[in-house]
Amino acid sequence: AQSVTQPDIHITVSEGASLELRCNYSYGATPYLFWYVQSPGQGLQLLLKYFSGDTLVQGIKGFEAEFKRSQSSFNLRKPSVHWSDAAEYFCAVAHWDGKSTFGDGTTLTVKP
Amino acid sequence: DVKVTQSSRYLVKRTGEKVFLECVQDMDHENMFWYRQDPGLGLRLIYFSYDVKMKEKGDIPEGYSVSREKKERFSLILESASTNQTSMYLCASSFRYFRDAGNTIYFGEGSWLTVV
Repeated sequence: AQSVTQPDIHITVSEGASLELRCNYSYGATPYLFWYVQSPGQGLQLLLKYFSGDTLVQGIKGFEAEFKRSQSSFNLRKPSVHWSDAAEYFCAVAHWDGKSTFGDGTTLTVKP
Repeated sequence: DVKVTQSSRYLVKRTGEKVFLECVQDMDHENMFWYRQDPGLGLRLIYFSYDVKMKEKGDIPEGYSVSREKKERFSLILESASTNQTSMYLCASSFRYFRDAGNTIYFGEGSWLTVV
């Protein structure tokens, strides 16, 4: 069975500092991996996705993620965080038929 | 832009009431999903549909049913609402298979349900 672990429930960073959110997955075949962001009271917005090819993927809002098959990880990074990045972030792995498993989420707080 | 529209953003219902949550997508997607989101528990799949009249149970189907009579519309039904069903409900849609690199799951804005 597929699973996704986001080890950090809550992360606080200062505005302008770099960010890395961790995601580990368990999946038996080629994973389809996603990062979503959710602002308070809103639905989920896609940041980026990995299907195949280049293991470093670029997304919206200056985010990137690196797929490391040997570590079963798909960590999200941003070089310089903005106050508007404060939100909840979800990592997900999709099965070939469309059903997805989500991590429990990481809440990002940005200090001025 | 893809649009997944959930008809009700905020609802307050009484215990025992029958509740309908409606979702409509405009991208001709085959797949539609209902998730429940609770703090610290992430998103949990309630039901999944890959075609009209087709449905599969997700991880937490108990107390819920679904209806998909038209491709663009997927309804979640709480036959007899209980207080432990107070939650945020998210509808989503996608094309059928994820081997297509262009595929993505699109979410609605969520429906906040309070059962009193």
